[in-house]
Amino acid sequence: GDSVTQMEGPVTLSEEAFLTINCTYTATGYPSLFWYVQYPGEGLQLLLKATKADDKGSNKGFEATYRKETTSFHLEKGSVQVSDSAVYFCALRATGNQFYFGTGTSLTVIP
Amino acid sequence: GAVVSQHPSWVICKSGTSVKIECRSLDFQATTMFWYRQFPKQSLMLMATSNEGSKATYEQGVEKDKFLINHASLTLSTLTVTSAHPEDSSFYICSANSGLAGTQYFGPGTRLLVL
Repeated sequence: GDSVTQMEGPVTLSEEAFLTINCTYTATGYPSLFWYVQYPGEGLQLLLKATKADDKGSNKGFEATYRKETTSFHLEKGSVQVSDSAVYFCALRATGNQFYFGTGTSLTVIP
Repeated sequence: GAVVSQHPSWVICKSGTSVKIECRSLDFQATTMFWYRQFPKQSLMLMATSNEGSKATYEQGVEKDKFLINHASLTLSTLTVTSAHPEDSSFYICSANSGLAGTQYFGPGTRLLVL
């Protein structure tokens, strides 16, 4: 079945460091891929998405490229800030519109 | 933008009681809604797909008699946790799709604590 495998955390970085969180997927058909962010005590917020191969989603300095050949959707940011501290979830939307989430990666950015 | 609300946001109940959680799409119609649960520091797990006017589709391992889902209208789905036990304590989240290939919007979640 459809699934998402996400790099386990927690990840701790210094401010302005480069961030990569790996995400790979298994799916039938052609899923859409998403990154969601969850700040402490809050619900999920869509960070970015890509709906087809080679699409690049970007938002707030974060980027991820839909790579069909490697079934990956790695999240990157060139310079993280303290305010980026949160849990990041990679997800795919299956053909029936259900979402399947990775296990989440906790990011802490220290000043 | 589209908003999905959940009510209540917090509920504490005694073991053996039933709890109903509502999920509403506030400014769009949703023929399909989804219910997830999230354990502390873990990911969201899809429980079921709620279909307006028909029975819900449950994921493998989810007890349909335990977690009753009713999609009463195009803007409301309810999840009832029947005879709740402490192991049912979790964060329950619903989502709704705003269109055929539209954006999925997530509710803020309902935290359930069963004593």
